[in-house]
Amino acid sequence: KNEVEQSPQNLTAQEGEFITINCSYSVGISALHWLQQHPGGGIVSLFMLSSGKKKHGRLIATINIQEKHSSLHITASHPRDSAVYICAAFLSGSRLTFGEGTQLTVNP
Amino acid sequence: NAGVTQTPKFQVLKTGQSMTLQCAQDMNHEYMSWYRQDPGMGLRLIHYSVGAGITDQGEVPNGYNVSRSTTEDFPLRLLSAAPSQTSVYFCASRASGGQETQYFGPGTRLLVL
Repeated sequence: KNEVEQSPQNLTAQEGEFITINCSYSVGISALHWLQQHPGGGIVSLFMLSSGKKKHGRLIATINIQEKHSSLHITASHPRDSAVYICAAFLSGSRLTFGEGTQLTVNP
Repeated sequence: NAGVTQTPKFQVLKTGQSMTLQCAQDMNHEYMSWYRQDPGMGLRLIHYSVGAGITDQGEVPNGYNVSRSTTEDFPLRLLSAAPSQTSVYFCASRASGGQETQYFGPGTRLLVL
């Protein structure tokens, strides 16, 4: 069992839909990253959070430390949001442990 | 700032050949790391460094060497390439401290025949 698990593995949506990607982890963490990997392969950090909620444009990330769970929401999804979304947790010290990623496809 | 740069972008090797994947960052980050990404698996840590002269193993270090002679550069060496090392390799860096944003290079796609 992975220490960081994401669901779903694959997600297909229609443009405009509200999207939720979930991340759960098995042990206490200090912080969690949400990353986006574009079809060309580059990885960028979307959020890093250790409590509560953060918002950037149409993206919202939440974390519940007690429940060991984080969610990434995309409002009014668009085809350009199609990418792999990865959560990564600081499980021990300063090392990140990564989930397997969620492949999101948004159709026009 | 160029951020994190990696070269080459793509490389084909024959089994047994050696090569070095280059990684450099211009953000004065102390923490640098190398990951490999394989289908169906999350990014896995190969080696990391918390500063010049200091390196340590990650979860999949076998077959790879690293060194950190300067803050900017963190090369990854494959001593004798094997087909199992076919993967996409990402270098990353961040400032020291427990919870800093991690910046990734563009990746190197390696094929070992």
